[in-house]
Amino acid sequence: DAGVTQSPTHLIKTRGQQVTLRCSPISGHKSVSWYQQVLGQGPQFIFQYYEKEERGRGNFPDRFSARQFPNYSSELNVNALLLGDSALYLCASSRGSGNTIYFGEGSWLTVV
Amino acid sequence: AQSVTQLDSQVPVFEEAPVELRCNYSSSVSVYLFWYVQYPNQGLQLLLKYLSGSTLVKGINGFEAEFNKSQTSFHLRKPSVHISDTAEYFCAVSEGESNYQLIWGAGTKLIIKP
Repeated sequence: DAGVTQSPTHLIKTRGQQVTLRCSPISGHKSVSWYQQVLGQGPQFIFQYYEKEERGRGNFPDRFSARQFPNYSSELNVNALLLGDSALYLCASSRGSGNTIYFGEGSWLTVV
Repeated sequence: AQSVTQLDSQVPVFEEAPVELRCNYSSSVSVYLFWYVQYPNQGLQLLLKYLSGSTLVKGINGFEAEFNKSQTSFHLRKPSVHISDTAEYFCAVSEGESNYQLIWGAGTKLIIKP
């Protein structure tokens, strides 16, 4: 079975632009969560979705938004990009609360 | 508020030597504890987790960790490391049954010296 897949793997954007990152969970997993990992730091929780509803939100500005589709895939959107948004964005999926979460390999975003 | 402290940013160790990576947490409630490994240019992989029961938890690749509630610690150990263990190791904690909103430590780079 395929693991968590994310696209694109790498991208470069200019300050002020908008970006959309995509995530496909493991088959059968209904929960998707997003994390930001700045170089040299641990991941920071951004969002969690379960059954297409937002179940949790980290301490990120409103420029960050996400959604989950009927097939449980998810998108993370970031508007008005800042240099500080440069990071590895990780998506993780699980069957539900209390189950092990599995991470994708991430999308590297560089803002110039 | 929860926090996780990984005291060592880097741990160099000779191949086949034992290693301990330290993790301390702060929380006012019961927690679930996790160790993840991140190999270069890859995502995070679960090594082991403590949810309840035995305080000694065994994981993949020969790693184990011991939950010490009185010291609020969850140190990761391996009796003999290999060059393939070179990676960054992250300790994480969550409260309650929902393990999505993990709070992460800053990570410890394990450097294996030949």
